[in-house]
Amino acid sequence: QQQVKQSPQSLIVQKGGISIINCAYENTAFDYFPWYQQFPGKGPALLIAIRPDVSEKKEGRFTISFNKSAKQFSLHIMDSQPGDSATYFCAASRGTGANNLFFGTGTRLTVIP
Amino acid sequence: KAGVTQTPRYLIKTRGQQVTLSCSPISGHRSVSWYQQTPGQGLQFLFEYFSETQRNKGNFPGRFSGRQFSNSRSEMNVSTLELGDSALYLCASSWTGGSYNEQFFGPGTRLTVL
Repeated sequence: QQQVKQSPQSLIVQKGGISIINCAYENTAFDYFPWYQQFPGKGPALLIAIRPDVSEKKEGRFTISFNKSAKQFSLHIMDSQPGDSATYFCAASRGTGANNLFFGTGTRLTVIP
Repeated sequence: KAGVTQTPRYLIKTRGQQVTLSCSPISGHRSVSWYQQTPGQGLQFLFEYFSETQRNKGNFPGRFSGRQFSNSRSEMNVSTLELGDSALYLCASSWTGGSYNEQFFGPGTRLTVL
């Protein structure tokens, strides 16, 4: 059973546009929600993370929106650039001492120049 | 600081063999987690070691095992390899092992089972 559901599977965006990736979860014990970026041949790298006590977090062009009641969170990439072309994974984990991340299935983002 | 290193980067084995993968965490990090990444199942948690003890375990068969040494380096072992074990095995380290600590991933070991 997929604990974190991610959509879309792939996304094509024009340079300068906004990329939006959505994730949903069921387990209300999750309290840490990171987003990872992965380039081919590399391991995932943390982009940005949020805890459920805030509804939005912004770092540069990357913003996480979090809706606790709907159990959904999303990543927005503003002014998307060709260098942003990568696979993006949302994830979730439960509580202190639980370092195991449950990952979404990934979104392959392509930014067209 | 040097990042997480994993050796070897590529490995080819045949069914029935066993394999050992190695992970060196970032200096000072005490938690090491292992993940399997496949096109079909995505990224799945295998287990986590913290201070030489397995603290969490995912839903993988007993053929998958691991250990952590006193210098925090970790190894994972897969015995009696199956074709379905072909995957990218990723290691991630973090500072204290708490859930809010960023996990830094290594480049992975690409295992191919023939």
